[in-house]
Amino acid sequence: AQSVTQLDSQVPVFEEAPVELRCNYSSSVSVYLFWYVQYPNQGLQLLLKYLSGSTLVKGINGFEAEFNKSQTSFHLRKPSVHISDTAEYFCAVRGPGANNLFFGTGTRLTVIP
Amino acid sequence: SQTIHQWPATLVQPVGSPLSLECTVEGTSNPNLYWYRQAAGRGLQLLFYSVGIGQISSEVPQNLSASRPQDRQFILSSKKLLLSDSGFYLCAWTSGGAGVPIYFGEGSWLTVV
Repeated sequence: AQSVTQLDSQVPVFEEAPVELRCNYSSSVSVYLFWYVQYPNQGLQLLLKYLSGSTLVKGINGFEAEFNKSQTSFHLRKPSVHISDTAEYFCAVRGPGANNLFFGTGTRLTVIP
Repeated sequence: SQTIHQWPATLVQPVGSPLSLECTVEGTSNPNLYWYRQAAGRGLQLLFYSVGIGQISSEVPQNLSASRPQDRQFILSSKKLLLSDSGFYLCAWTSGGAGVPIYFGEGSWLTVV
């Protein structure tokens, strides 16, 4: 079975500062990894995904994530955040034969002007 | 392109009343379909998923049920709502292929009073 841990429930950061949202996964097999963003009162939107190949994955809105197999991590980063990045961010994992995604509990990113 | 719709967007229901949330997917066939619930300030809880018409898997035993009467239609129901059923309900779909993300609808806010 797979599981995901997002250690930080809330991350405040000043506008134009860099940010890293942490995600660690647990799995005995190779997995596929995803980051989603949820703006208030909306559904989840896919930010980026890692399937295989290059460990650095670029997504929408200037976000990127790095897959680290030895540390079983998939941290999300952005070099300079904007007010509009204020949202809830979810990391998710899917096993090769799984029907479902397993989600972390989310990280609330608040960008401070 | 594929789209997913769910309705109603918001509803306020008294305790003990029935519930019906509907979700449809367009532009694809034989999708995997999902119902998630997100309680206020918390992560995502998978309630039901379906890999085909009439095939429903329940992840959490409760007073909710799901049905899939057509290939691209997924319905979440309850005969008698509880206060604890309040939350944000999200329908989602995927093609089921390896590494394919899950895509979410806009969500439905349910408040049980």
